[in-house]
This record gives sequence, C-alpha cells and structure tokens, in this order.
Amino acid sequence: GAVVSQHPSWVICKSGTSVKIECRSLDFQATTMFWYRQFPKQSLMLMATSNEGSKATYEQGVEKDKFLINHASLTLSTLTVTSAHPEDSSFYICSANRVYGYTFGSGTRLTVV
Amino acid sequence: EDKVVQSPLSLVVHEGDTVTLNCSYEVTNFRSLLWYKQEKKAPTFLFMLTSSGIEKKSGRLSSILDKKELFSILNITATQTGDSAIYLCAVAKNSGGSNYKLTFGKGTLLTVNP
Repeated sequence: GAVVSQHPSWVICKSGTSVKIECRSLDFQATTMFWYRQFPKQSLMLMATSNEGSKATYEQGVEKDKFLINHASLTLSTLTVTSAHPEDSSFYICSANRVYGYTFGSGTRLTVV
Repeated sequence: EDKVVQSPLSLVVHEGDTVTLNCSYEVTNFRSLLWYKQEKKAPTFLFMLTSSGIEKKSGRLSSILDKKELFSILNITATQTGDSAIYLCAVAKNSGGSNYKLTFGKGTLLTVNP
C-alpha cells in the first residue's frame, strides 16, 4: 500500500538553529504533499501545501520565511523550521493524497530548547 | 469559514461497550469525509465517505454519512482496549485538481478500560 516515510521521527534542537524534516512517498509519486502541525491534545492544523516544482501555498498565519518548504521531486518534500524557538515545539506531520484517502507520514516530534 | 465539529471530545467506556462518535461539518464544495485513528503517532486511515446513506464497515467499525444533515457517525462495537485512541474526522473540499485540502475536527479521545 501507499507509504509515506517521514524523517526524523523526533529531534531536539537549540533555540536559533534550523531543523529540516523530510517526507518521502515510497511507492508512488506525489505532486502535492501537505504539512500539518499538531499541538498536544489538539487537532491537526494545515500549515502549507507543497507543490512539486513550484512554490508552496501557505495557510493564513503561517510564516513562509520561517517554515521553508521545498518539493524538488515527485517523491520528496522537505520542511525546514528556521531559527527555531521553543514555541515551535510541536508534532509535524506530512501527508499525500491517494485515491482512497490521504496517507500520513509517521510524524516528527520537534522539541526546541 | 469551514468547520468540522466532533463530539464528544472525550469518552470513557468499558470493554465490550458500543460507542458512537459524531462529526458535523460546514464546508463549501464538499468532496468527502474521512475518519482516522490516531494513537501515538500519525493518523491511520479508517474510512472515506462520499455518498449519503451508504454504510462502510471494517470489522467492528462502521461509518455512515448524511449529506443532507451534514454529519457522519463512526460506530465501534464490542470495544477493546486497543481501540483507545483519538478519532479524527476530516472533510475534504473540492479546490480544483486532484489534490484537495483536509479540514480536521478536534478529535474524540476514546478510552476503553478493561
């Protein structure tokens, strides 16, 4: 079945540094991937839509310069949290669309200290 | 503004009980409604519903959509402790093309006690 691999599964970084999260579609090509964040006990909030070969589309209130998205190939999208701060600590999940519904990556737990 | 509202927000039951989780929505250009189960990590797909009145079943889980009243229910019969999770309802809307955004509800936290 369709598999989306996300890496790393967890990361701790110092405040002010940047962190890159990768999302790969392993057995299908994904022209579009979606990035979500989830705070504890809250639902998934869409951050941006990643489009292969073009600029990402960001949701209202999401800083595009802080959350850099690159979708350079049909199987890889990356999210870079730049100059991370403790308030960026969250669970980040990517997903891609399949005909029977969306498939999610395993998520990345980011902790900024 | 699109809305997806789930109820209850949390629920505690005993093994063997039957539960019904609710999801109502207000979305323009509705495409489909999806149910996911989220344990410790990413959500896992349960059902995708596009047509009213057609029940989808998978083992002890079933779901149905009412597009006139704009809601869906997820039923779990003979609950087991392994059913404990957050159940997320999401609605996809047509936005042109084959890829479309999902709007998630806040989820229902189900706890099944032995």
